[in-house]
Amino acid sequence: DAKTTQPNSMESNEEEPVHLPCNHSTISGTDYIHWYRQLPSQGPEYVIHGLTSNVNNRMASLAIAEDRKSSTLILHRATLRDAAVYYCILRDVSSGGSNYKLTFGKGTLLTVNP
Amino acid sequence: DTEVTQTPKHLVMGMTNKKSLKCEQHMGHRAMYWYKQKAKKPPELMFVYSYEKLSINESVPSRFSPECPNSSLLNLHLHALQPEDSALYLCASSQVIRDRRNNVYGYTFGSGTRLTVV
Repeated sequence: DAKTTQPNSMESNEEEPVHLPCNHSTISGTDYIHWYRQLPSQGPEYVIHGLTSNVNNRMASLAIAEDRKSSTLILHRATLRDAAVYYCILRDVSSGGSNYKLTFGKGTLLTVNP
Repeated sequence: DTEVTQTPKHLVMGMTNKKSLKCEQHMGHRAMYWYKQKAKKPPELMFVYSYEKLSINESVPSRFSPECPNSSLLNLHLHALQPEDSALYLCASSQVIRDRRNNVYGYTFGSGTRLTVV
Protein backbone atom coordinates (compact mmCIF):
# COMPACT_ATOMS: atom_id res chain seq x y z
CA ASP A 1 0.00 0.00 0.00
CA ALA A 2 1.24 3.49 -0.82
CA LYS A 3 1.98 5.30 2.42
CA THR A 4 1.10 8.72 3.76
CA THR A 5 2.94 11.00 6.17
CA GLN A 6 1.09 13.35 8.48
CA PRO A 7 2.16 15.48 11.45
CA ASN A 8 1.43 13.77 14.75
CA SER A 9 -0.50 16.74 16.11
CA MET A 10 -1.71 20.22 15.25
CA GLU A 11 -3.40 22.96 17.19
CA SER A 12 -5.92 25.53 16.06
CA ASN A 13 -8.13 28.22 17.50
CA GLU A 14 -11.88 28.13 17.25
CA GLU A 15 -13.38 29.83 14.18
CA GLU A 16 -10.02 29.97 12.40
CA PRO A 17 -9.17 27.93 9.28
CA VAL A 18 -7.15 24.76 9.68
CA HIS A 19 -4.88 23.26 7.04
CA LEU A 20 -4.00 19.63 7.67
CA PRO A 21 -1.14 18.43 5.41
CA CYS A 22 -0.48 14.97 4.05
CA ASN A 23 2.47 13.77 2.01
CA HIS A 24 2.12 10.79 -0.31
CA SER A 25 5.14 10.84 -2.59
CA THR A 26 4.66 7.21 -3.79
CA ILE A 27 1.05 7.69 -4.88
CA SER A 28 0.04 5.74 -7.97
CA GLY A 29 -2.30 6.78 -10.75
CA THR A 30 -5.20 4.72 -9.40
CA ASP A 31 -4.90 5.92 -5.79
CA TYR A 32 -7.69 8.09 -4.51
CA ILE A 33 -6.90 10.34 -1.55
CA HIS A 34 -9.37 9.79 1.26
CA TRP A 35 -9.71 11.67 4.53
CA TYR A 36 -11.45 10.34 7.58
CA ARG A 37 -11.67 11.69 11.10
CA GLN A 38 -12.32 10.00 14.39
CA LEU A 39 -13.86 11.89 17.25
CA PRO A 40 -13.26 10.63 20.79
CA SER A 41 -15.16 7.41 21.58
CA GLN A 42 -16.60 7.15 18.06
CA GLY A 43 -15.89 5.24 14.89
CA PRO A 44 -14.09 6.94 12.01
CA GLU A 45 -16.17 9.27 9.88
CA TYR A 46 -15.69 9.86 6.16
CA VAL A 47 -14.76 13.46 5.41
CA ILE A 48 -13.83 13.81 1.74
CA HIS A 49 -11.95 12.17 -1.11
CA GLY A 50 -10.41 13.20 -4.40
CA LEU A 51 -8.25 12.01 -7.28
CA THR A 52 -6.70 15.00 -9.06
CA SER A 53 -8.92 18.04 -8.73
CA ASN A 54 -9.67 20.03 -5.61
CA VAL A 55 -12.90 18.98 -3.94
CA ASN A 56 -15.38 20.74 -1.67
CA ASN A 57 -18.20 19.40 0.44
CA ARG A 58 -20.17 20.58 3.45
CA MET A 59 -17.53 19.37 5.87
CA ALA A 60 -14.24 20.44 4.29
CA SER A 61 -12.18 21.15 1.20
CA LEU A 62 -9.42 19.00 -0.24
CA ALA A 63 -6.59 20.66 -2.07
CA ILE A 64 -4.45 18.28 -4.14
CA ALA A 65 -1.02 19.26 -5.42
CA GLU A 66 -0.54 19.23 -9.16
CA ASP A 67 1.94 16.32 -8.94
CA ARG A 68 -0.42 14.58 -6.48
CA LYS A 69 2.41 13.93 -4.05
CA SER A 70 0.75 15.92 -1.31
CA SER A 71 -2.66 17.12 -0.29
CA THR A 72 -4.21 19.40 2.31
CA LEU A 73 -7.49 19.04 4.13
CA ILE A 74 -8.97 22.45 4.86
CA LEU A 75 -11.49 23.10 7.60
CA HIS A 76 -12.68 26.61 6.87
CA ARG A 77 -13.78 27.54 10.40
CA ALA A 78 -12.73 25.14 13.11
CA THR A 79 -15.15 24.43 15.92
CA LEU A 80 -14.62 22.55 19.16
CA ARG A 81 -16.49 19.64 17.58
CA ASP A 82 -13.75 19.33 14.95
CA ALA A 83 -11.24 18.16 17.57
CA ALA A 84 -10.39 14.65 16.36
CA VAL A 85 -7.75 12.45 14.80
CA TYR A 86 -7.63 13.08 11.05
CA TYR A 87 -6.47 10.28 8.80
CA CYS A 88 -5.19 10.71 5.25
CA ILE A 89 -5.47 7.40 3.37
CA LEU A 90 -4.64 6.32 -0.15
CA ARG A 91 -7.07 3.85 -1.64
CA ASP A 92 -6.27 2.03 -4.87
CA VAL A 93 -9.47 1.69 -6.89
CA SER A 94 -8.17 -0.49 -9.71
CA SER A 95 -9.84 -3.87 -9.87
CA GLY A 96 -8.78 -6.55 -7.46
CA GLY A 97 -9.87 -7.89 -4.08
CA SER A 98 -7.14 -6.20 -2.07
CA ASN A 99 -8.42 -2.85 -3.23
CA TYR A 100 -11.29 -3.05 -0.79
CA LYS A 101 -8.73 -2.38 1.92
CA LEU A 102 -8.70 0.95 3.72
CA THR A 103 -5.48 1.07 5.71
CA PHE A 104 -5.16 3.69 8.43
CA GLY A 105 -1.90 5.39 9.34
CA LYS A 106 -1.27 7.20 12.61
CA GLY A 107 -3.14 10.35 11.63
CA THR A 108 -2.99 13.89 12.99
CA LEU A 109 -4.51 14.74 16.35
CA LEU A 110 -6.17 18.13 15.95
CA THR A 111 -6.74 20.18 19.08
CA VAL A 112 -9.08 23.17 18.83
CA ASN A 113 -8.70 25.88 21.45
CA PRO A 114 -11.70 27.98 22.49
CA ASP B 1 -31.00 4.84 6.80
CA THR B 2 -27.37 5.93 6.53
CA GLU B 3 -25.96 4.19 9.58
CA VAL B 4 -24.01 1.14 10.55
CA THR B 5 -25.41 -0.24 13.81
CA GLN B 6 -23.24 -2.33 16.11
CA THR B 7 -24.41 -4.31 19.12
CA PRO B 8 -23.63 -4.55 21.92
CA LYS B 9 -21.96 -1.22 22.69
CA HIS B 10 -19.96 -2.78 25.52
CA LEU B 11 -19.09 -6.40 26.26
CA VAL B 12 -17.17 -8.01 29.09
CA MET B 13 -16.33 -11.67 28.62
CA GLY B 14 -14.24 -14.31 30.29
CA MET B 15 -11.51 -16.18 28.48
CA THR B 16 -13.65 -19.33 28.26
CA ASN B 17 -16.79 -17.59 27.03
CA LYS B 18 -18.29 -17.58 23.55
CA LYS B 19 -19.86 -14.34 22.40
CA SER B 20 -20.80 -12.62 19.17
CA LEU B 21 -20.63 -9.07 17.92
CA LYS B 22 -23.27 -7.93 15.46
CA CYS B 23 -23.25 -5.31 12.73
CA GLU B 24 -26.13 -4.22 10.53
CA GLN B 25 -26.54 -1.78 7.65
CA HIS B 26 -29.43 -1.06 5.30
CA MET B 27 -27.66 1.17 2.77
CA GLY B 28 -27.35 -1.58 0.16
CA HIS B 29 -23.59 -1.73 0.64
CA ARG B 30 -22.10 -4.99 -0.65
CA ALA B 31 -18.75 -4.75 1.16
CA MET B 32 -18.48 -5.04 4.93
CA TYR B 33 -15.48 -4.91 7.23
CA TRP B 34 -14.26 -5.67 10.72
CA TYR B 35 -11.56 -3.51 12.27
CA LYS B 36 -9.85 -3.73 15.65
CA GLN B 37 -8.64 -0.61 17.43
CA LYS B 38 -6.45 -0.55 20.53
CA ALA B 39 -6.27 2.57 22.67
CA LYS B 40 -4.49 5.51 21.00
CA LYS B 41 -3.77 3.44 17.88
CA PRO B 42 -5.31 3.57 14.40
CA PRO B 43 -7.91 0.98 13.38
CA GLU B 44 -6.45 -2.24 11.99
CA LEU B 45 -8.28 -4.21 9.33
CA MET B 46 -9.28 -7.75 10.29
CA PHE B 47 -11.70 -9.05 7.66
CA VAL B 48 -13.38 -7.94 4.45
CA TYR B 49 -16.56 -9.40 3.01
CA SER B 50 -17.51 -8.67 -0.55
CA TYR B 51 -20.92 -9.82 -1.80
CA GLU B 52 -21.27 -11.96 1.34
CA LYS B 53 -18.03 -13.83 0.68
CA LEU B 54 -14.87 -13.48 2.73
CA SER B 55 -12.35 -11.76 0.48
CA ILE B 56 -9.65 -10.68 2.94
CA ASN B 57 -8.47 -12.19 6.22
CA GLU B 58 -5.54 -10.23 7.61
CA SER B 59 -4.02 -13.29 9.32
CA VAL B 60 -6.44 -12.99 12.22
CA PRO B 61 -6.27 -15.77 14.88
CA SER B 62 -8.97 -18.42 14.57
CA ARG B 63 -10.49 -17.42 17.90
CA PHE B 64 -12.12 -14.66 15.83
CA SER B 65 -14.62 -16.10 13.35
CA PRO B 66 -16.51 -13.78 10.99
CA GLU B 67 -19.83 -14.58 9.38
CA CYS B 68 -21.93 -12.71 6.82
CA PRO B 69 -25.43 -14.29 6.81
CA ASN B 70 -26.81 -11.81 4.27
CA SER B 71 -25.96 -8.53 2.60
CA SER B 72 -27.13 -6.48 5.60
CA LEU B 73 -25.58 -8.39 8.48
CA LEU B 74 -22.07 -9.10 9.65
CA ASN B 75 -21.18 -11.06 12.77
CA LEU B 76 -17.93 -11.64 14.59
CA HIS B 77 -17.92 -14.77 16.74
CA LEU B 78 -15.51 -14.76 19.65
CA HIS B 79 -14.19 -17.80 21.48
CA ALA B 80 -11.35 -18.35 23.93
CA LEU B 81 -10.11 -14.78 23.73
CA GLN B 82 -7.13 -13.43 25.61
CA PRO B 83 -6.95 -10.23 27.68
CA GLU B 84 -4.82 -8.65 24.95
CA ASP B 85 -7.82 -8.96 22.61
CA SER B 86 -9.54 -6.24 24.61
CA ALA B 87 -10.15 -3.40 22.17
CA LEU B 88 -12.75 -1.42 20.27
CA TYR B 89 -14.14 -3.52 17.43
CA LEU B 90 -15.41 -1.47 14.53
CA CYS B 91 -17.66 -2.54 11.70
CA ALA B 92 -17.83 -0.64 8.42
CA SER B 93 -19.57 -0.93 5.09
CA SER B 94 -19.11 0.54 1.65
CA GLN B 95 -20.30 0.41 -1.90
CA VAL B 96 -18.23 -1.59 -4.29
CA ILE B 97 -15.10 0.31 -5.30
CA ARG B 98 -16.71 2.05 -8.27
CA ASP B 99 -20.32 2.19 -9.34
CA ARG B 100 -21.58 2.10 -12.93
CA ARG B 101 -20.98 5.84 -13.25
CA ASN B 102 -17.40 5.38 -12.09
CA ASN B 103 -18.10 7.13 -8.80
CA VAL B 104 -15.94 6.23 -5.80
CA TYR B 105 -17.39 6.16 -2.30
CA GLY B 106 -16.22 6.28 1.25
CA TYR B 107 -16.79 3.86 4.09
CA THR B 108 -19.44 4.21 6.77
CA PHE B 109 -18.32 3.09 10.22
CA GLY B 110 -20.31 2.07 13.24
CA SER B 111 -19.55 3.38 16.71
CA GLY B 112 -17.97 0.11 17.71
CA THR B 113 -18.19 -2.49 20.45
CA ARG B 114 -15.91 -1.91 23.40
CA LEU B 115 -14.71 -5.41 24.34
CA THR B 116 -13.02 -6.28 27.61
CA VAL B 117 -11.66 -9.79 28.12
CA VAL B 118 -11.13 -10.74 31.76
